[in-house]
Amino acid sequence: DAGITQSPRHKVTETGTPVTLRCHQTENHRYMYWYRQDPGHGLRLIHYSYGVKDTDKGEVSDGYSVSRSKTEDFLLTLESATSSQTSVYFCASRWTAENTEAFFGQGTRLTVV
Amino acid sequence: ELKVEQNPLFLSMQEGKNYTIYCNYSTTSDRLYWYRQDPGKSLESLFVLLSNGAVKQEGRLMASLDTKARLSTLHITAAVHDLSATYFCAVVKAAGNKLTFGGGTRVLVKP
Repeated sequence: DAGITQSPRHKVTETGTPVTLRCHQTENHRYMYWYRQDPGHGLRLIHYSYGVKDTDKGEVSDGYSVSRSKTEDFLLTLESATSSQTSVYFCASRWTAENTEAFFGQGTRLTVV
Repeated sequence: ELKVEQNPLFLSMQEGKNYTIYCNYSTTSDRLYWYRQDPGKSLESLFVLLSNGAVKQEGRLMASLDTKARLSTLHITAAVHDLSATYFCAVVKAAGNKLTFGGGTRVLVKP
């Protein structure tokens, strides 16, 4: 299995507090992605990165920011958590070669109360 | 903007019968992935399809890609209970970087 880990795995936080989720991969993958998964919505892309310090928005980026200062780490920050950001967050990474898979982390269950 | 649509959203299967899940996408694609997700778990990669006419098979699952029709199918042969899960397709737009998912197909195989 690809070495991609997310931390924390579970978090409960209060409305209005900042929260940072970490995705760490040991595969030297160029591309990394953050998704949220909610019932009835599948996986929706929040932000993605195509290299160190190179990031772009996905379809549901409002209220989220990301940073990638090293190839192996991609951080997702909820600047001021809201209840609508309660979700399961998944990180994924892939290499550039065409026939490579995109591997997923175990997920982070975030609850905003 | 790339749109990816799967159907059906839910599929109730009888053991031993054959079924197909469809994945349509709206723009030219570089590659298409199929994933499986069990409840409460992460996504497991099933197939990567790159070129028109590509067909891949693993056990009772077979995936194919028609880039001209912008359509991929996931065919399940002789369904068994162990195949109960949610299946997703995901597409990378041609010359792009985003990985966009379909809404998923929840499969329930009944005895």
